[in-house]
Amino acid sequence: NAGVMQNPRHLVRRRGQEARLRCSPMKGHSHVYWYRQLPEEGLKFMVYLQKENIIDESGMPKERFSAEFPKEGPSILRIQQVVRGDSAAYFCASSPQQKTDTQYFGPGTRLTVL
Amino acid sequence: ILNVEQSPQSLHVQEGDSTNFTCSFPSSNFYALHWYRWETAKSPEALFVMTLNGDEKKKGRISATLNTKEGYSYLYIKGSQPEDSATYLCAFNAGNMLTFGGGTRLMVKP
Repeated sequence: NAGVMQNPRHLVRRRGQEARLRCSPMKGHSHVYWYRQLPEEGLKFMVYLQKENIIDESGMPKERFSAEFPKEGPSILRIQQVVRGDSAAYFCASSPQQKTDTQYFGPGTRLTVL
Repeated sequence: ILNVEQSPQSLHVQEGDSTNFTCSFPSSNFYALHWYRWETAKSPEALFVMTLNGDEKKKGRISATLNTKEGYSYLYIKGSQPEDSATYLCAFNAGNMLTFGGGTRLMVKP
C-alpha cells in the first residue's frame, strides 16, 4: 500500500505565476488535509476536504488559494499569482475517517517563488 | 486560536540515555492527541494517537502518556539511539484539523 504521494517535490515559480500542487491520498482514504510550513515556523492547517467537498477551509488565505478533491484523481492545491511570501513547504495528509484517525503525511512540496 | 506548546525546544543526549518531552494543549474540545516523528527531508511519521484520559501507548522504546484533564502529554524514549535523532511533534485534534506544537528537536550523540 503506497503512502501519500505528492508531486512535484520541488516547484520553482516566478512572482505572478500559478502553482499547482498535487496530492494522492493512501488507498482507501477519502479525507485529505493540506498543511503549510513557512520558513522558521511549524506546520499550520490550511484546508480539509472529502471527495468533491470542502469541509473546513478556515486556514486558507482568503485570496489566490483554492483546493479541490475531485471524484477522480488527486487533490489539488492551487495558488494563483504567487508572491515571495508563498514560499513554503506544503504537506498533504490523508486519513480513512475524520476526527480521531491518524493522519498520514506525504513528503511535501517545497515551493520557491523567485 | 489553540495553543499547543512543546518543551524543551531542543535536547542533546548521549546514546543510551533515557529522555522525555512535554506537550501541553487546551483541555476543552478534545478529540485526540497525536505524536509524530519527523526526520529532515522526510514525511512526518505517525507514532501514536491518544484519545482517552490516562491513555498509555508504547511502540518499542518509545512510549507516551496522556492527561486530558490538565492538558498535557509526555513522550518517553528509553535508551536513546542515534537513529532516534529527529523532531518530535505533538498535535491537538479538535475535530477537523491538527494544531501542531513547535516540536522538540532531539539529537542523540553516539
